[in-house]
Formats: sequence, structure tokens, C-alpha cells
Amino acid sequence: KQEVTQIPAALSVPEGENLVLNCSFTDSAIYNLQWFRQDPGKGLTSLLLIQSSQREQTSGRLNASLDKSSGRSTLYIAASQPGDSATYLCAVEYGNKLVFGAGTILRVKS
Amino acid sequence: EAGVAQSPRYKIIEKRQSVAFWCNPISGHATLYWYQQILGQGPKLLIQFQNNGVVDDSQLPKDRFSAERLKGVDSTLKIQPAKLEDSAVYLCASSHSGNTIYFGEGSWLTVV
Repeated sequence: KQEVTQIPAALSVPEGENLVLNCSFTDSAIYNLQWFRQDPGKGLTSLLLIQSSQREQTSGRLNASLDKSSGRSTLYIAASQPGDSATYLCAVEYGNKLVFGAGTILRVKS
Repeated sequence: EAGVAQSPRYKIIEKRQSVAFWCNPISGHATLYWYQQILGQGPKLLIQFQNNGVVDDSQLPKDRFSAERLKGVDSTLKIQPAKLEDSAVYLCASSHSGNTIYFGEGSWLTVV
């Protein structure tokens, strides 16, 4: 069964701290992996997409890594800001299907 | 570029009533998805269309849920009759040839 797990479920950090969100998946035969951001009452916004042949992707203060062999991905957020507060979702693509984790709720305190 | 449009944004209905949600994907996107997101969980794929054909509807409760995309553009998701456990956000998304998936802001359903 294809399952995606995200740890921690919730995280609260002071502004300026660097942080790591974790994602693990049971089936390593992935097509790609995406990290999404979801603000309260809003839809999902794609942050980073890592193809199965890639090891990492970077966008601004965000860096996502992928280790297919161990079934893990991490999202690194540098110098966190209150505006980063949101739910972060990891989604693994198998064929044409996205399987989501339950998300990590991030709160950055000013 | 206009995003994925969904309506209505919010709906409250009584159990056993019916409801329909509409989605207009980004222009030119052949693939359209409907996801169900229950509070505290990640989105779960209900149905995926490629143009007007169904690619995957394995997790769609077909006894009460139906979806169509007749002209290969916009789509409608219907629930009849609704149950309490159908309370969720229904997210529509679209993509072009397997690239990044773009989500709408969702239709929030409360069944009382």
C-alpha cells in the first residue's frame, strides 16, 4: 500500500530559526515528489517539485531533498518568518496519482 | 493566467440532501482532479479525468458520489444523498501533461 507519513504533525518555532520537515513514503517507485503549502481556508500551493532522478530542489529559503532508496524527503526552511506559518503537505506521485501525507502544521512566532 | 475556479466556496446541507460542486480548470489543462480533504488529513483523490475520460475513480464512493467532465473542460462533482462523514473540503486541481498540479481554493461542505 502506498502511504505517506509526515513528522512532526505540528511544529512551533521562534522567528529566525532554521527548521526541517520530514516526509517518508512506503513505495519507492515514485515518479516525483512535491511539497505544498496550505493556508487556512485556502487551496494548495506547490512549493517545490523533485523529479525521481533528482536529489534536491531549491527555491529561495526553501530546500527540498529526496532519497528514494530510504523513502524519505525533507523540506528545509531557512530563517523562518511569521509568514511561513501554514500547513506543509508532502505528496508523492505514482503514475498519475498523487498520494498526500497528513501535513505538518507550522507556526512561526514573532 | 487565471487559476482553477471552484464554486460554491461554502455549502451547508442536511444529511440525505444533495449538493453539487463546479470546477473550471486552467485553460489548456487536460488533466482534472477532484480531491476530498477531511479536517486534519491530507487530500485524498476521488477521481481523475484526462480530457473527458476517467483515468482513476477507485476511491470514489460510487453509491453516492458522481462526477462528470462532458466537454473536457469544466467538471461537476455531485453527492447524493450526503452523509455526515462527507463534511470536508472538496479540492479541484488541474495539470498539463503531468507537470505541476494547480489547486483551486476548494469548496467547503458541512453536512448537519
